[in-house]
Amino acid sequence: NAGVTQTPKFQVLKTGQSMTLQCAQDMNHEYMSWYRQDPGMGLRLIHYSVGAGITDQGEVPNGYNVSRSTTEDFPLRLLSAAPSQTSVYFCASSRILSSYNSPLHFGNGTRLTVT
Amino acid sequence: AQTVTQSQPEMSVQEAETVTLSCTYDTSESDYYLFWYKQPPSRQMILVIRQEAYKQQNATENRFSVNFQKAAKSFSLKISDSQLGDAAMYFCAYRSAGSSQGGSEKLVFGKGMKLTVNP
Repeated sequence: NAGVTQTPKFQVLKTGQSMTLQCAQDMNHEYMSWYRQDPGMGLRLIHYSVGAGITDQGEVPNGYNVSRSTTEDFPLRLLSAAPSQTSVYFCASSRILSSYNSPLHFGNGTRLTVT
Repeated sequence: AQTVTQSQPEMSVQEAETVTLSCTYDTSESDYYLFWYKQPPSRQMILVIRQEAYKQQNATENRFSVNFQKAAKSFSLKISDSQLGDAAMYFCAYRSAGSSQGGSEKLVFGKGMKLTVNP
C-alpha cells in the first residue's frame, strides 16, 4: 500500500517557468489537498478537492491551479513560477467524512526552489 | 475562521525527561478535532495523537499524552521519557467536525515548534 505519493521530491525552476507537482493516492480517499510549508508559517492550505470534478480554494491559492479528473490524482500546477513560491509542498488525503478515524495522510513533500 | 497558536518556537529537553508543548486555538464551533503532528528532518508528517472535542478524557498514545482544556481552548502535548528520536518539529492542528460538504476536512495548522532532545 503506497499511500500518498508525490513527485518529484526536489525541483528547481527559473522564474516564469511552469510545472506540475504530481500527487496520487491509492486509498480511495475522496478528499485531497495541497499545503505549502514555509519557515515560521506552519502549513497553509492552497487548494483542496472533495471528489472528482470538485475543487476549491484554500488560504493561499494565488499562482496555483488544480484539477481532479480522477479520485486517485490531484496535480498542482504552477503556471508562471515566482520566487515567492519557493517552499515545501505537501499533498494530503483522507476520507470525505469529518471523522476522528479518518486523519489526513501526507505525502513526503516536494521541495521547490524558484530562482 | 479558526486559528491555532503555538507560542513557543523552540524548546529543548534532556533525554529521559518530560516536556510539554503548548497549543491554543480559537473557534466558535463546539465540535471539532485536534491533532499533534511530528515532522522529523526526513520531512515526513507523522500523526502523533488526536483528540475529539466532545470527549472529556485526554488522549494518550504510549509516551505521548494531551491536556485538553476545552473552556480554555488549550491543547498541550506532554512527551514523557523523551528520546533522541523525538527531536522534530511539532505542529498542532485543528479540524472542524462539520458536514462533509464545504471541505470541513481542512486542517488549520499552528506555526510549529522545534523540539531538541539533548543526550
